[in-house]
Amino acid sequence: ETGVTQTPRHLVMGMTNKKSLKCEQHLGHNAMYWYKQSAKKPLELMFVYNFKEQTENNSVPSRFSPECPNSSHLFLHLHTLQPEDSALYLCASSQEWFQGGGTEAFFGQGTRLTVV
Amino acid sequence: KNEVEQSPQNLTAQEGEFITINCSYSVGISALHWLQQHPGGGIVSLFMLSSGKKKHGRLIATINIQEKHSSLHITASHPRDSAVYICAVKGGATNKLIFGTGTLLAVQP
Repeated sequence: ETGVTQTPRHLVMGMTNKKSLKCEQHLGHNAMYWYKQSAKKPLELMFVYNFKEQTENNSVPSRFSPECPNSSHLFLHLHTLQPEDSALYLCASSQEWFQGGGTEAFFGQGTRLTVV
Repeated sequence: KNEVEQSPQNLTAQEGEFITINCSYSVGISALHWLQQHPGGGIVSLFMLSSGKKKHGRLIATINIQEKHSSLHITASHPRDSAVYICAVKGGATNKLIFGTGTLLAVQP
């Protein structure tokens, strides 16, 4: 148990559906991240929120829309996804922005997303 | 070619064996992380190091900055050590976290 909780753990959605992934941490961390992990590929950073402000968007398609209402919660809203978006989506948090130094990040269990 | 390369990609060991996983990188870094990912998907941070050596239980991580190389060692391996081990470095031109593709370890009883 890392202190970072993601729901749901598994999600199957059609290409016309709208769904949301949720991430929650009560570690008092100020930075939260969304990562995508596809089969046989390295982890890819998608978004970074630092003190609730989006500080990075790594050229992620607009069909992925993040939301950070407070420093403990992070959402990833999904809309008109493609089958190639099927992957494991991991949320992480750290005390300070991971870019700013050798700060350790705590990862959630991930949401296994399948787009049909 | 990835900026972070891990070897081997797959490793099968017998319980009790000493295991070494290697990570080589081609960029200047400020920190290197070793992560463990269990079959369920969740990732645990094992070590963060910028020089020398760290030890936690049966796990030892070393880094040689000059050679741009790090190793993760597992002593007295156990089936519960079976997981994917991921090396990640913070650095490069963008100073972002760059991940290796991971090493899949299976420890057989």
